[in-house]
Amino acid sequence: GENVGLHLPTLSVQEGDNSIINCAYSNSASDYFIWYKQESGKGPQFIIDIRSNMDKRQGQRVTVLLNKTVKHLSLQIAATQPGDSAVYFCAENRNMRFGAGTRLTVKP
Amino acid sequence: DSGVTQTPKHLITATGQRVTLRCSPRSGDLSVYWYQQSLDQGLQFLIQYYNGEERAKGNILERFSAQQFPDLHSELNLSSLELGDSALYFCASSPRLAGGLYNEQFFGPGTRLTVL
Repeated sequence: GENVGLHLPTLSVQEGDNSIINCAYSNSASDYFIWYKQESGKGPQFIIDIRSNMDKRQGQRVTVLLNKTVKHLSLQIAATQPGDSAVYFCAENRNMRFGAGTRLTVKP
Repeated sequence: DSGVTQTPKHLITATGQRVTLRCSPRSGDLSVYWYQQSLDQGLQFLIQYYNGEERAKGNILERFSAQQFPDLHSELNLSSLELGDSALYFCASSPRLAGGLYNEQFFGPGTRLTVL
C-alpha cells in the first residue's frame, strides 16, 4: 500500500551542527509535502512545505530537498539548537499519511 | 498557539465505556481531521470532515465515529473502549480539502485518553 516513512527513528547531534532527517514516500501522485515538528506534549507544528514542481525550498535555518526520481525528501536544519529537539514528521497531501517520525536530540 | 482547541485535555475512563472528544477548528477553516497517536507511534489518520460532510476515512475503527456540526466544531466518539485505545487524539484543521496543494494542517494540543 501507499507509505510515507522515515529512514531513522532517532538522530542525535551536537549543538551547532547541521541535522538531516530523511523521508521516503511511495505514492507517485503525491505533489505536496510538509514537514512537521512535534515537541513533547504538544501537537505537530508546520515547519516547511514543498511542491512537487520544486526540488528545493529554504526557510529560516531549514531546507527541504525533494527527489522525485527516488521518492525521497529530506529536512536539513542548520546550526541545530537545543530548541530543535523534537520529533519530526514528513507528510504527503494525498492520503494524510505521516511518517513514523524521527526523534532529534540536540546535545549541548 | 495554532488556534485549534480540543477538550478535554485529559480523559481517564474504563474499558467498555464511551467518550466524546471535542474540537474547535481555527476560525474560517472548513476541514477538520482526527488523528490517533499511540505511544512511540506516528500519527494515524482517522477521518476528515469538510464543511459538515465526511470526506475521507483512514484507519478508523467501527467503534469510533465522528461528526462536524454547522458551527464547524467536530466531535469524535469512541465507544466500547479497549485498553489499546489509550492514545493521544489530535484534531487538525485546514481551510481546504485534502488532496489539494497548500494543505497545511493546524493541530490542536490533543486529548490524552487513558483506558483502564
